[in-house]
Amino acid sequence: ETGVTQTPRHLVMGMTNKKSLKCEQHLGHNAMYWYKQSAKKPLELMFVYSLEERVENNSVPSRFSPECPNSSHLFLHLHTLQPEDSALYLCASSQEGGFYEQYFGPGTRLTVT
Amino acid sequence: QKEVEQNSGPLSVPEGAIASLNCTYSDRGSQSFFWYRQYSGKSPELIMFIYSNGDKEDGRFTAQLNKASQYVSLLIRDSQPSDSATYLCAVRGGSYIPTFGRGTSLIVHP
Repeated sequence: ETGVTQTPRHLVMGMTNKKSLKCEQHLGHNAMYWYKQSAKKPLELMFVYSLEERVENNSVPSRFSPECPNSSHLFLHLHTLQPEDSALYLCASSQEGGFYEQYFGPGTRLTVT
Repeated sequence: QKEVEQNSGPLSVPEGAIASLNCTYSDRGSQSFFWYRQYSGKSPELIMFIYSNGDKEDGRFTAQLNKASQYVSLLIRDSQPSDSATYLCAVRGGSYIPTFGRGTSLIVHP
């Protein structure tokens, strides 16, 4: 596999479920990002992991919990989500955390029922 | 609250023309400015970034930054139908987290 991959590509979950999104990058990068893109709002950066440090967007609710076990893998753990959390969740990676040469995955389309 | 404004469009230009996409921002402390292109149904891709006042050119793309007036623009010369996409402006200040605009839809017609 090449580039940035995300699984699953589509996910439907109830508000009481717990699920996880997975991202893997095969580019040798050392920074990874989670973005949220919904039809009603601008693209939003949620979390960044760069050189084992984590940067959070303070506006992201605690029902989203990221995990980055190594520089190639990134997870987004979801629990007790709300319907307004339905969106496209995009993962990206770059060399270092400066947003330069940032590559995005195809995204996970999440629907919360 | 930091805001980044873009005209949603669509901006329609004929093939071969110059497309001019504009973005204004509210945070005077902004330091880094990015342009992303997003084709329908696809993920964004970073096409330009700029830090200093003035112009930065990369092929057919030119980013222009005017910090005094708080705007950044993207010019696309010799526009092609393949340039038809939504262009997202992002601005980053002292905070690590950038703020994105809603994007401008560009249509290049043959």
